[in-house]
Amino acid sequence: EPEVTQTPSHQVTQMGQEVILRCVPISNHLYFYWYRQILGQKVEFLVSFYNNEISEKSEIFDDQFSVERPDGSNFTLKIRSTKLEDSAMYFCASSEENFYEQYFGPGTRLTVT
Amino acid sequence: ELKVEQNPLFLSMQEGKNYTIYCNYSTTSDRLYWYRQDPGKSLESLFVLLSNGAVKQEGRLMASLDTKARLSTLHITAAVHDLSATYFCAVLPISGGSYIPTFGRGTSLIVHP
Repeated sequence: EPEVTQTPSHQVTQMGQEVILRCVPISNHLYFYWYRQILGQKVEFLVSFYNNEISEKSEIFDDQFSVERPDGSNFTLKIRSTKLEDSAMYFCASSEENFYEQYFGPGTRLTVT
Repeated sequence: ELKVEQNPLFLSMQEGKNYTIYCNYSTTSDRLYWYRQDPGKSLESLFVLLSNGAVKQEGRLMASLDTKARLSTLHITAAVHDLSATYFCAVLPISGGSYIPTFGRGTSLIVHP
């Protein structure tokens, strides 16, 4: 069964450093998303992406964040200058239709020290 | 601002019993989602409810949506230990064509033998 994959599974970085989280969505999906979940808390939407453009972004997704689909398979989330409060699980998801059934990747645990 | 409230937040039940998790939301909604998350794992899409009166069932789980009451329920029938997980609802609002989902805090379900 096709699945969304994410790398790395765990990233430790120092405050102020840039990180890139990588995702490979399901190959025939057209819509891509990033979410985050601070430990033990609720899931928060960051951004959705379609046709090489951001479709929606939440208030969390400020100028420190960016997304890119650099080739036909990868979908990346970049955080330019990490803060302690960026520590969270980051989930990538993809779907065939806009915000219909989304398939989530296993997540990247980001720890900012 | 859209508010999504789930209750209960914690639920401990015995195998074989029935129970309902509630998801209330504060504004008109286009779609409502239910997800399952096992500890330390990603989210699994359970149901996507698209219209008033929608009811979907999968195994021992049944979800319904009442858009007039702004309420969705996730009913568990004859619980088994394998259903132990955290269940999230998420609401996608209609207003202004903005597709930014808001999640509830999650209901942590433990099913005891």
